[in-house]
Parts: sequence; structure tokens; C-alpha cells
Amino acid sequence: GAVVSQHPSWVICKSGTSVKIECRSLDFQATTMFWYRQFPKQSLMLMATSNEGSKATYEQGVEKDKFLINHASLTLSTLTVTSAHPEDSSFYICSARRGESPYEQYFGPGTRLTVT
Amino acid sequence: QKEVEQDPGPLSVPEGAIVSLNCTYSNSAFQYFMWYRQYSRKGPELLMYTYSSGNKEDGRFTAQVDKSSKYISLFIRDSQPSDSATYLCAMRILRAAGNKLTFGGGTRVLVKP
Repeated sequence: GAVVSQHPSWVICKSGTSVKIECRSLDFQATTMFWYRQFPKQSLMLMATSNEGSKATYEQGVEKDKFLINHASLTLSTLTVTSAHPEDSSFYICSARRGESPYEQYFGPGTRLTVT
Repeated sequence: QKEVEQDPGPLSVPEGAIVSLNCTYSNSAFQYFMWYRQYSRKGPELLMYTYSSGNKEDGRFTAQVDKSSKYISLFIRDSQPSDSATYLCAMRILRAAGNKLTFGGGTRVLVKP
């Protein structure tokens, strides 16, 4: 159990367009979902935290209007990168937490975004 | 200074050797400690987690926490080529705002057959 999926796994888009990434917890209800960004050979950087039905809490330095997060249900969160630019190219990973334990945070397989 | 420091490696070992990984941290409020394994272009998967100081074993993996030194370690015995991955340590304080994990930078491990 505790599977998190992401779709798409890889997306290429043109500069100026928007792209949506979906994150789903397949076999559990997620109390909290997290979005991370990871550059090559670097660690995960938390972008935002969201709870179902609430506005996302963004980390310092993350543009809310550029990275739109919608936590529509206990099993689905979406990240929309608006007006993407080449510097937004990165690996985006979502994570879903089940329950209150800090150990029950499960990660999706990631989405590779390339902006041309 | 980063809250959690981790040598980026790469750490190259022959198959069968013991892999030794560690992280140091500066925030004494960290109470929960985790090790994740991340294969290239995949999401991290939880390997081990500990709460208290001391050792915890699970198969070939042993996690150690020394809160007095603010130092945690992960040992992999009888390493296999399939253990080649990046290993990330992660920590959390008892009641973290937003339940946030703080990650180390990751250590890339290469186990050569």
C-alpha cells in the first residue's frame, strides 16, 4: 500500500505556455500533500504544502502566481506551472502524507519538465 | 550553514563492501530521522526511520542516531550493485509547522560488481 502516482512522468512544453502536473495517492487518503523541486545532483527543495480544501502554503521564494497548487480532494493535488520559462525546467516530485506520523510520507515518481 | 549537511560523494565501493553514510545537523530540535533511497529520475523511497538515539537494524541496513553529537549514520552491509543510488537523510522536529521534512543534499553511491 501507500502508492503515490504522478502524471505525466515527462513533459516538454514551449516557453510561455502552462503545464499541469497531477499527483494522486492511489490507496490512501492524504491528509497533506507536498510539492518539491529537484535540480540535477541536488536535494529536494520544498515548494509548498497543501491540505485538502485549503490554500497551499508556499515556501519563501516560491512564486504563488507562477506555481499554482490545487488540492481538490484527499487523493488529488495538482501543480500548474504558468507561463513556463526554460529556468523552470526541473524534476518535480509530489509527496503525500498518510496520518500524523512523520514516517508516513510517501513520494511520487516525479515529473520531468523541460521548457524549450 | 545548512541545517543538515551530507557529503555529496560519489562514494564508490566494490560489491560486498559495507557502505557508510552520514549526516550532521545543527538543529537540536530534530527528533525524527529518516533515510531515503532515490534511484535516478525516480522519487525517494523510505528505507529506515528512527526516533531515539541508538541503533536500528533492518536486514542489511543499520541506522544510527547520536543526538548528543547531532550525527546520524546509515550502514549497508553486503552491498549490491542494485544499492547504487542517491541516499538522502531527512529530519523533522517534533511538531513541525506544516509537518515539513528537512533533507540533506544526498550522497550518491556506486556499488561496482
